Amino acid sequence: GEDVEQSLFLSVREGDSSVINCTYTDSSSTYLYWYKQEPGAGLQLLTYIFSNMDMKQDQRLTVLLNKKDKHLSLRIADTQTGDSAIYFCAENGGGYQKVTFGTGTKLQVIP
Amino acid sequence: EAGVTQFPSHSVIEKGQTVTLRCDPISGHDNLYWYRRVMGKEIKFLLHFVKESKQDESGMPNNRFLAERTGGTYSTLKVQPAELEDSGVYFCASSQSLGGLDGYTFGSGTRLTVV
Repeated sequence: GEDVEQSLFLSVREGDSSVINCTYTDSSSTYLYWYKQEPGAGLQLLTYIFSNMDMKQDQRLTVLLNKKDKHLSLRIADTQTGDSAIYFCAENGGGYQKVTFGTGTKLQVIP
Repeated sequence: EAGVTQFPSHSVIEKGQTVTLRCDPISGHDNLYWYRRVMGKEIKFLLHFVKESKQDESGMPNNRFLAERTGGTYSTLKVQPAELEDSGVYFCASSQSLGGLDGYTFGSGTRLTVV
């Protein structure tokens, strides 16, 4: 079946850039997503990228997709304490309605 | 626009008891999903409704879990009898379009603890 892997933890200093990495196995993925979960809250869609794109930028967020290596990354520029959360990588295996999530990366921002 | 609402937010029950979780999707969203995150692991798909029909229930762990969506509006997920390994956070999500173009709007989840 489909598999999505992420490192479990990342710690950065406020103002630095954060890079959260993700690898996936489903070559038929149509969309790849980044979700954010703040403590006690639900999953919030941060951004998504279509599988025929290499990069997408949205304000402080940059998503890079290497389809050949099945590698997705999320870069957060000028990381703020409010960015502390769990970030989930997810993919939608083309044509299927269910989304496969990774384990989530807990981002800790040190003031 | 109201978001996806889940009730209760927390539930603590004893092993062997029954619990029913409820999800109210965004009005007009035909697609409704249930997911579960167990003990800090990945979020796993449970099932998908299109209106009142079960489109895909391949992620349901066993027959102790029963999901319904009568009338194609809100959905319930019943666990009977609950076991210790059922503890986790149960998320509901809804979407309007097929293929996830607009992403999925998730509820805040129900944290279920079975003791």
